[in-house]
Amino acid sequence: ETGVTQTPRHLVMGMTNKKSLKCEQHLGHNAMYWYKQSAKKPLELMFVYNFKEQTENNSVPSRFSPECPNSSHLFLHLHTLQPEDSALYLCASSLSEPPGEQFFGPGTRLTVL
Amino acid sequence: QQPVQSPQAVILREGEDAVINCSSSKALYSVHWYRQKHGEAPIFLMILLKGGEQKGHDKISASFNEKKQQSSLYLTASQLSYSGTYFCGTERDLGNTPLVFGKGTRLSVIA
Repeated sequence: ETGVTQTPRHLVMGMTNKKSLKCEQHLGHNAMYWYKQSAKKPLELMFVYNFKEQTENNSVPSRFSPECPNSSHLFLHLHTLQPEDSALYLCASSLSEPPGEQFFGPGTRLTVL
Repeated sequence: QQPVQSPQAVILREGEDAVINCSSSKALYSVHWYRQKHGEAPIFLMILLKGGEQKGHDKISASFNEKKQQSSLYLTASQLSYSGTYFCGTERDLGNTPLVFGKGTRLSVIA
């Protein structure tokens, strides 16, 4: 499989649930990103990892917890979310050397009830 | 710090041209352009670096005016496949700041 893959593609969860989003890239990139995209907002950067180290946390609430075990995998752990967290969550990867083209995954459509 | 895109939306007939602008109040190192079709992931179009370069492929091209801190995306002889939302992402410092995306411009091409 090539490119950036994300699972699950759709997720419905209650406010008390704990779930995780998974992202995997097969492009040999060393930077990975989580973005949130809601109906009328631009792409909002959440987290950046370079060489497995978190280099950016864009004031994201602690109910979102990222994990990057290696350069190919990125997780977003979710717990006690709010309905306003419902959105499309996109993962992207790139080479660290700027300016790098970012390759996006298809996203996970998250609905919080 | 978020770049401002204009217009917010535009409707074109096939074959017509369009220009989408992306402006920043801060000095930029680079501008990235992406297109996202409904229900799909954003797809990279091109990167422009400071220095006022111009790039293009097929009938889509872009320029970067360093003095104005503005980039423009030009779509000529538009095709139905050009429909989607176009985002610009701006980078202020080389390797030090992540991309900040504008709110997007929704382009609809009709037959």
